[in-house]
Amino acid sequence: EVQLVESGGGLVKPGGSLRLSCAASGFTFSSYSMNWVRQAPGKGLEWVSSISSSSSYIYYADSVKGRFTISRDNAKNSLYLQMNSLRAEDTAVYYCARDGGYYNYWGQGTLVTVSS
Amino acid sequence: EIVLTQSPGTLSLSPGERATLSCRASQSVSSSYLAWYQQKPGQAPRLLIYGASSRATGIPDRFSGSGSGTDFTLTISRLEPEDFAVYYCQQYGSSPKTFGQGTKLEIK
Repeated sequence: EVQLVESGGGLVKPGGSLRLSCAASGFTFSSYSMNWVRQAPGKGLEWVSSISSSSSYIYYADSVKGRFTISRDNAKNSLYLQMNSLRAEDTAVYYCARDGGYYNYWGQGTLVTVSS
Repeated sequence: EIVLTQSPGTLSLSPGERATLSCRASQSVSSSYLAWYQQKPGQAPRLLIYGASSRATGIPDRFSGSGSGTDFTLTISRLEPEDFAVYYCQQYGSSPKTFGQGTKLEIK
């Protein structure tokens, strides 16, 4: 069974940093591109970042470019999102999602709250 | 970037009725790379439809997708109580893979 479990969310002050993790199981992690998608409270879905299976290709939404860094460790079946210079508008539930073109598997999400 | 516009914003219907949700793209979606997701409160989105019309594993056949180019439709033939949720379309034919703003399907 495919499982994606996010962790690392929490309350952080504006300008602060946070690192999210996504632990994958039930599939060959190293064969799939992975993504981070976020959802602000009461809002819709926003793609944040993608990373290819071997980390050769990395993409970011304009809203996070230069502040967030996506990475992965295929030996540990894990996906990461380093978030720096956090702003109030980064407050959201962050989901990791497996890429099959569309996103056929999602984690349960981790809440990031940016507030003073 | 392809902008997806979903309509209506909110759809109020009763169980047993037919629901028709629309997703319009600002430019043609290549190869009908259009997906639909269902999201219930406090849950992650769930894939319903991919390739504009293919049902994902385990999705009941009352859900169907259609369309091509810039106009796509999700139809729920007979609404069950568990179908009341928010629905999102997503295009994955070009980067970035954008989502529509969602349609809330509520019980009338």
